[in-house]
Amino acid sequence: QVQLVQSGSEVKKPGASVKVSCKASGYTFTGYYIHWVRQAPGQGLEWMGWINPNSGVTNYAQKFQGSVTMTRDASVTSTYMEVNSLKSDDTAVYYCARDFGSGLRRFYFFDYWGQGTLVTVSS
Amino acid sequence: DIVMTQSPDSLAVSLGERATINCKSSQSVFSSSNNKNSLTWYQQKPGQPPKLLVYWASTRESGVPDRFSASGAGTDFTLTITSLQAEDVAVYYCQQYYSPPYTFGQGTKLEIK
Repeated sequence: QVQLVQSGSEVKKPGASVKVSCKASGYTFTGYYIHWVRQAPGQGLEWMGWINPNSGVTNYAQKFQGSVTMTRDASVTSTYMEVNSLKSDDTAVYYCARDFGSGLRRFYFFDYWGQGTLVTVSS
Repeated sequence: DIVMTQSPDSLAVSLGERATINCKSSQSVFSSSNNKNSLTWYQQKPGQPPKLLVYWASTRESGVPDRFSASGAGTDFTLTITSLQAEDVAVYYCQQYYSPPYTFGQGTKLEIK
């Protein structure tokens, strides 16, 4: 069965960086884009960007360009999302999610989600 | 960016009754290339990630009970839950995937009356 398993909670100080991992299993890792979506406490969902696990090509929402880096390691079927220069309003649950489409079809909505990683930014 | 606005923000419905949630986009999400509306609905229960319910505005995801139905086109969309069950208590989000950034509505919290 398809699973996306994320790394554990993190507490960081303002200005630090955090790297969250997302390990995929149960499907062909290189066949589906992985997206990252965040959710501030008690708030709605915010799309951050995607990575093509096959090529490593990324596309970030304009808001996150320059502060977020998505990478992958196909040898361990994992994608990573790093946020730099953390601020208090980066406190959120960060989710990885698989694109519904496979192969050459991309749809930009999400059929499987990781369990979420809480990142807390506090001095 | 396309702004997605849901109404109401919260809703209380009796068990067995109908719940209706609306979603409006700031511009049309209809794609003439495939004649479809690029709109999804998700359900999020406390402490869980969102779950895909509906895509292409009205196509129910595999395994989703048929008491969930959705409709709409262009800029106005509706999710309807007929015969509300206790397990349907959740926050519901719409999302457009017509153009990046792929934006979500603010969510509608559904409770039992």
